[in-house]
Amino acid sequence: SAVISQKPSRDICQRGTSLTIQCQVDSQVTMMFWYRQQPGQSLTLIATANQGSEATYESGFVIDKFPISRPNLTFSTLTVSNMSPEDSSIYLCSVEIDRPFSYEQYFGPGTRLTVT
Amino acid sequence: AQKVTQAQTEISVVEKEDVTLDCVYETRDTTYYLFWYKQPPSGELVFLIRRNSFDEQNEISGRYSWNFQKSTSSFNFTITASQVVDSAVYFCALKGGGATNKLIFGTGTLLAVQP
Repeated sequence: SAVISQKPSRDICQRGTSLTIQCQVDSQVTMMFWYRQQPGQSLTLIATANQGSEATYESGFVIDKFPISRPNLTFSTLTVSNMSPEDSSIYLCSVEIDRPFSYEQYFGPGTRLTVT
Repeated sequence: AQKVTQAQTEISVVEKEDVTLDCVYETRDTTYYLFWYKQPPSGELVFLIRRNSFDEQNEISGRYSWNFQKSTSSFNFTITASQVVDSAVYFCALKGGGATNKLIFGTGTLLAVQP
């Protein structure tokens, strides 16, 4: 498995501002992901964070709104830009362990974001 | 298209009862992977199990057991002698066989275990 930490654990932000969430893993991993979980809902993949290249975004998510950095194999950031109350969610990063045909994903503790 | 259905939105049981959480999946891939995750009130998603499509053996881990049936496209999860600490949202998830296929989550089942 992997130990994943996220900062901040929660935040309350004003409409129109931006928040950057950090994700740190205790070992080098190839695949890192960012998910959104809206209140009472399931998880939706925002993007795959690629090391050394631009993130791969899912339908409905764009780089201008959710810029992602992945400077190395243990760290990534997700920025939620120009926030609105609809962005209030839990944001989770996950990693897929580097074991052939495993595809097991482990998740960080999440960042609870409230936008007022 | 790939899809995971968890028809049970909420289940409430009394401690020590057995409970089964249902998961039905859809995929056209011949190779695929199924997962269960637990999300307690703290919010963190905890990995419970992975099952490969080519391995239909059922698995038991303590009070937890999983029944994988390809014939009915189901991957059900049973908790025996439930405890209050089992109270959580449980998600079933599916990943197709291609390396670029993403993890698809069901809508989750909220399990409440009453003392």
